This record gives sequence, structure tokens and C-alpha cells, in this order.
Amino acid sequence: SAVISQKPSRDICQRGTSLTIQCQVDSQVTMMFWYRQQPGQSLTLIATANQGSEATYESGFVIDKFPISRPNLTFSTLTVSNMSPEDSSIYLCSVEAARDTQYFGPGTRLTVL
Amino acid sequence: KNEVEQSPQNLTAQEGEFITINCSYSVGISALHWLQQHPGGGIVSLFMLSSGKKKHGRLIATINIQEKHSSLHITASHPRDSAAYICAVSGGSNYKLTFGKGTLLTVNP
Repeated sequence: SAVISQKPSRDICQRGTSLTIQCQVDSQVTMMFWYRQQPGQSLTLIATANQGSEATYESGFVIDKFPISRPNLTFSTLTVSNMSPEDSSIYLCSVEAARDTQYFGPGTRLTVL
Repeated sequence: KNEVEQSPQNLTAQEGEFITINCSYSVGISALHWLQQHPGGGIVSLFMLSSGKKKHGRLIATINIQEKHSSLHITASHPRDSAAYICAVSGGSNYKLTFGKGTLLTVNP
């Protein structure tokens, strides 16, 4: 198994600012994923972050808005840039510890005013 | 693209009742996941299934590959089981998960 922590757990931000969310795993993993869950909606994959390469973004998500860093095999950050109220969501990171086995972090609840 | 449908969308039960949540998908998969999300937002993986049946405590998950259908059962439900239950599938060499919209379960004492 893998234990994942995220910081911050929640934040309230002003429109136009940026927030960086950290994801820490207790073991080395190759693949890390960032998801968004808008209110009342299911999870949507933002991007896949592999160590040593650029993140791969899903349709509808761009690097300028959601820059991602993956400096090593246990850590990643997601930045939500130039925020608007539509960015209010829960942001979750997950890791693939083994084939078809994903572990999720506790999530970051973001409110943009 | 796989379509994942869950039913019911909302479910209210009395403590002690037997709960069933259903999940169906449209395209063959390599694995199906049942996830639990509490109001705080964090997600816990309950089961990963590729065939048959799995049991963990009061939770039972089954999958019928031919019917493209899975069920999650909760026996002797308890108010602490109140949460959203999400079905997700992954297919073939694609690690990406496709998620259902979830079932919001409320168990009243």
C-alpha cells in the first residue's frame, strides 16, 4: 500500500491568485495523478506526472493554468494559477503503486472567492 | 470511451439494513474499483476486482464480467458507513480510471 498526504487540506483564496498543492507519498512510485472534483461531480483527471518528464495533460487542461512539478519519486506539486470561482473544487492526487491499484490522497478543498 | 453508470444516485437507509449499490460499464475492462469518499473529500480504495467476489468485513463486492456489472453490498449498515461510494474502471494497458458519478449513502440511526 501507499500512504499519501496533501497540503494544504483546505484553503480559501481570492480571485486572480495562485495556490500550490503538495502531494507526498511514503514510497517511491513512478506514476502520480492529479484529479479535480467539482461540486456535485465525479473525479476528472487533470494530468499524469512522471518523474523526470513533463506532465501529460488531459483534454481541457493546460500547463499554464495547472503547472505541475515532479522533482522526485515521492513528491509532486500542482499549482492552480490565476484562480476564478470556477476553480473551486477538491483536488486529489493519487499514485499507481501496482498495476490497476491506485491510492488516493485526502484531497485539498479549494474555495475561490 | 467507457461509460460508467451507478445506481441509485442517492440512498437513505436505517441502521442495520442491507445495502446494495450497482455499477455498470459499457466496454470491457481490466479492473473495477470501489472507492469511498467521506464528506471531507478524501478517498479510500475499498476493492479492486477483475473477477468474482471479494469480502472485507461487512463489505462485499461482486463483478460479472459478461454482464459488465458490479455490485457493492454493505451488511448490517451503520451510520459511519454514510459516505459517497464511487465505482471506477480501468481498461487494458490504459491505467486511466473512468469514474461513475457516485452514490451518496446516508444511514440513519
